This record gives sequence, structure tokens and C-alpha cells, in this order.
Amino acid sequence: SQQGEEDPQALSIQEGENATMNCSYKTSINNLQWYRQNSGRGLVHLILIRSNEREKHSGRLRVTLDTSKKSSSLLITASRAADTASYFCATGVNNDMRFGAGTRLTVKP
Amino acid sequence: DADVTQTPRNRITKTGKRIMLECSQTKGHDRMYWYRQDPGLGLRLIYYSFDVKDINKGEISDGYSVSRQAQAKFSLSLESAIPNQTALYFCATSGTGRADTQYFGPGTRLTVL
Repeated sequence: SQQGEEDPQALSIQEGENATMNCSYKTSINNLQWYRQNSGRGLVHLILIRSNEREKHSGRLRVTLDTSKKSSSLLITASRAADTASYFCATGVNNDMRFGAGTRLTVKP
Repeated sequence: DADVTQTPRNRITKTGKRIMLECSQTKGHDRMYWYRQDPGLGLRLIYYSFDVKDINKGEISDGYSVSRQAQAKFSLSLESAIPNQTALYFCATSGTGRADTQYFGPGTRLTVL
């Protein structure tokens, strides 16, 4: 069964705008990761946030984690057409990791 | 050069055929995984291996088998392919546990007619 659920399922924005994707999960976790997948290709790891962390940054990416609400968000600032991809959250629980179904982001030039 | 490679990249086969998908990695990782991706369902784990002598079933292992020939090689077999095994298949590796960062291959698109 899937652990994380992304919201929205699809998001379309203009280049230069910010994109926010959310991930909710049901049980306590050790960490949460975000991956990007360009169409038909392998997933690429973006960022990992541990359960005792609340926010992490990497370039134009900002990830927050709220363990009390069992949710995380991924913010991409100043989006570019090249950010068009599917974004997946993956929750790490002990020695297990489960992926959500993803958010499809389209950035229009 | 890619750290995780998969062959073939595309495969079309017929119902009942046995096929093998291969994965090789140069990251020196002990842990390797096979996932299946279907539209709208994210990734589901088929099998994983923590070292050459360790093989474990994932969420959806029925109809699949694996072989860990070496630290760097992990193969997935479909003993008798059926149409609902049409999907995108990914191999991944990690240096430590399953809950840590995983590195994915480019995928194999399999079509079973």
C-alpha cells in the first residue's frame, strides 16, 4: 500500500512562478524524500528530510516537514520549463520506503 | 557513464514467454531493488536484495523471480509473461537501508502482447 499521497495530482504554472506540492502520510516516519522523474525516465533524488528536521533547502527547492500533521511540502521557486516532470514523495519507515503516486508539474514557457 | 544501467530499455514480448531484465551498478552499493511503475500508481516494490546471499519479496512479487549474480548485478525474470505485466520497470540501489537515498536506472519499458 502507498504511504505518501501527493496533492495535487497535476499542476500547471507559468515559467517564473512558484510551484508547491504536498505530501501526506499516515504513520510515523524516519525520513521523507522527494524525487523527480522526467517523462519515462528513472527517478532522481532531490532531497531527504529527517523526522527531527522541519525545513531543508537545496538551490531553488525548499522542503518542509510537519510531523504533527503528517505532511510535507515541496516548493520550487522561480520555476523553469525544465522543471516540468513528475514529483514523488517517498516515506522511510524503519527499513521500508514507500512512494506516492506523484504530482505531475507542467511549467509553461 | 551512468551509475545504474538497465538492459534492455524497451522490450515487446508475447504472453507466456520468459524474459529477463538486467541491472548493473557501479556505485559499489550492496542493496538493490526492482520496482514496477504503472500510470497513476507510483512505484511498487517487486523484490529487493541487501547482499548477494539475501533476497526478499516486495509488495508484488507474484509472477516474478530475481537473481543476484554479484554485488553489481541484479536480474528480474518474468517466468511466463502476461499482459498485465506491461509496465515500466526500474532497478535502484542504495548504500544503506531501504529508507535511505535510492539511485535509479533509466528503466525498461516492457509490453506483453
